[in-house]
Amino acid sequence: EPEVTQTPSHQVTQMGQEVILRCVPISNHLYFYWYRQILGQKVEFLVSFYNNEISEKSEIFDDQFSVERPDGSNFTLKIRSTKLEDSAMYFCASRRLAGFGTDTQYFGPGTRLTVL
Amino acid sequence: DAKTTQPPSMDCAEGRAANLPCNHSTISGNEYVYWYRQIHSQGPQYIIHGLKNNETNEMASLIITEDRKSSTLILPHATLRDTAVYYCIVRANRDDKIIFGKGTRLHILP
Repeated sequence: EPEVTQTPSHQVTQMGQEVILRCVPISNHLYFYWYRQILGQKVEFLVSFYNNEISEKSEIFDDQFSVERPDGSNFTLKIRSTKLEDSAMYFCASRRLAGFGTDTQYFGPGTRLTVL
Repeated sequence: DAKTTQPPSMDCAEGRAANLPCNHSTISGNEYVYWYRQIHSQGPQYIIHGLKNNETNEMASLIITEDRKSSTLILPHATLRDTAVYYCIVRANRDDKIIFGKGTRLHILP
């Protein structure tokens, strides 16, 4: 069964450093998402992406964040200057543009980001 | 904000049916009920969704009341691997983002 994959599984970085989190969505999917989950808290939406542009973003997704689909398979989340409060699990998700029956988001296993 | 209300936690004996309730009294006609679960620190996993009819798949059954103001997710024969946080989510077909609440933490007891 096709899956969303994410790398790395765990990223440790120093405050102020740039990080790039990578995702490979399911191959025939066209909508892509990033969510995050701070330890012990709810899963929060960050951004959605379709047709090479951002469809929607949350208040969390400020100028320090950016997303890109650099090629036909990868979808990345960049944090330009990490802060301690960016420490969280980051989940990528994707869905296929199709009829409702397949209009479901599938999530990757997540990247744990630790900012020291 | 999440449009659903779920109990914070539940216990269920292994091998028994786990029945997870969800209230969504403000659901509108074009909104579906979705269930996801999150096993410890993993990505949310899609379980099932429905509009007004009861639904069943290989993982679970979804029972939606006739007035659509509440629903129940049924795991017919719970195993230890079903221990997870279960999220009941209401969203329209074309809603893009998923808004997660706190969900129900289900403990399967051996």
